[in-house]
Amino acid sequence: EAQVTQNPRYLITVTGKKLTVTCSQNMNHEYMSWYRQDPGLGLRQIYYSMNVEVTDKGDVPEGYKVSRKEKRNFPLILESPSPNQTSLYFCASSLLGSPYEQYFGPGTRLTVT
Amino acid sequence: RKEVEQDPGPFNVPEGATVAFNCTYSNSASQSFFWYRQDCRKEPKLLMSVYSSGNEDGRFTAQLNRASQYISLLIRDSKLSDSATYLCVAEGGNTPLVFGKGTRLSVIA
Repeated sequence: EAQVTQNPRYLITVTGKKLTVTCSQNMNHEYMSWYRQDPGLGLRQIYYSMNVEVTDKGDVPEGYKVSRKEKRNFPLILESPSPNQTSLYFCASSLLGSPYEQYFGPGTRLTVT
Repeated sequence: RKEVEQDPGPFNVPEGATVAFNCTYSNSASQSFFWYRQDCRKEPKLLMSVYSSGNEDGRFTAQLNRASQYISLLIRDSKLSDSATYLCVAEGGNTPLVFGKGTRLSVIA
């Protein structure tokens, strides 16, 4: 089954404790992206990647890191989480070259206390 | 900054009603547009693409007006299951997809 998976789905952590949210897709998509979604603010793009070893900042990259060492994986790293990073996070992937449908993962609900 | 603007709603409509959403986009270079549907606390899913000539999929019709830079979504004969948030999305050439904040629809029995 074609899908985007994220782990963990729910995470409660404390300020400053480094964490990684994994994202994996099995559709051989070149493009992958991370979004956060907050009430009243909609989906905001954090980082995106056009292919392996190619990443770029989105609208709200501060406090986040990403890497793209393999085509299927695009982990999101919070080196020192803060309460303002409490949010619902979505990973998405799509083909490149045309405006193809983006497939979203199920989301990760992160709470930083 | 390239943006997509939508009326946040909520739109509360009775079953069977026809409802229309509009959204405007700021990037005149955008070539492709989409409507996504998002159920509460779930991931967005593609509802339909928006073509220059407009397109229809059952009860849903999407239209594009390039001159005025707006996109519309029409839902006829609303069902309870149509209750969701509808996200307007614009693609801008080399730029990533830009999502609107969404319009919330509640269909009431």
